[in-house]
Amino acid sequence: EVQLVESGGGVVRPGGSLRLSCAASGFTFDDYGMSWVRQAPGKGLEWVSGINWNGGSTGYADSVKGRFTISRDNAKNSLYLQMNSLRAEDTALYHCARAGHAFDIWGQGTMVTVSS
Amino acid sequence: EIVLTQSPGTLSLSPGERATLSCRASQSVSSSYLAWYQQKPGQAPRLLIYGASSRATGIPDRFSGSGSGTDFTLTISRLEPEDFAVYYCQQYGSQYTFGQGTKLEIK
Repeated sequence: EVQLVESGGGVVRPGGSLRLSCAASGFTFDDYGMSWVRQAPGKGLEWVSGINWNGGSTGYADSVKGRFTISRDNAKNSLYLQMNSLRAEDTALYHCARAGHAFDIWGQGTMVTVSS
Repeated sequence: EIVLTQSPGTLSLSPGERATLSCRASQSVSSSYLAWYQQKPGQAPRLLIYGASSRATGIPDRFSGSGSGTDFTLTISRLEPEDFAVYYCQQYGSQYTFGQGTKLEIK
């Protein structure tokens, strides 16, 4: 079964850091680019960051540029998002998504809450 | 950045009716890299349409997409009870952006 499972979310104080992980299974991970998409409570979808198949090309939304870093380990079939200098407005459910035809596979998400 | 504007914000229809959802881009979407997603409460989004008009795997043929350039449409020919949800368009030709969503509710 093709599957993405996120982990690493939690409650963190403003200015703090978290590292999210996304474990992929059921497909050849290094055939695909990957992205992180977030959804604040009761709000719409926001693309956060993306990475190509080998990690050689990355992109970020302006809202997270300079604070978040995306990476991947193809040997471990895993995607990561290092989040630093977290702000209240980063509070959201973070999904990883496979970039096949558009975002064709999504994980259920991991919740990040930034609060003092 | 390409901004996507969806209309209407909320659409109230009955099962069996036809639904037409609109997505307008602030500039042309290259190669029709436009997708539609369905999201139900507590669930991850599900890809319905990619390339403006191609149905994703397993998507019923009552869902269809059309359009090019800056104007795109998702049509659901006859609404089933399970189709009531929030729908998002996304462009993936120039980085990625999503529309703000259209809520399809039961009338």
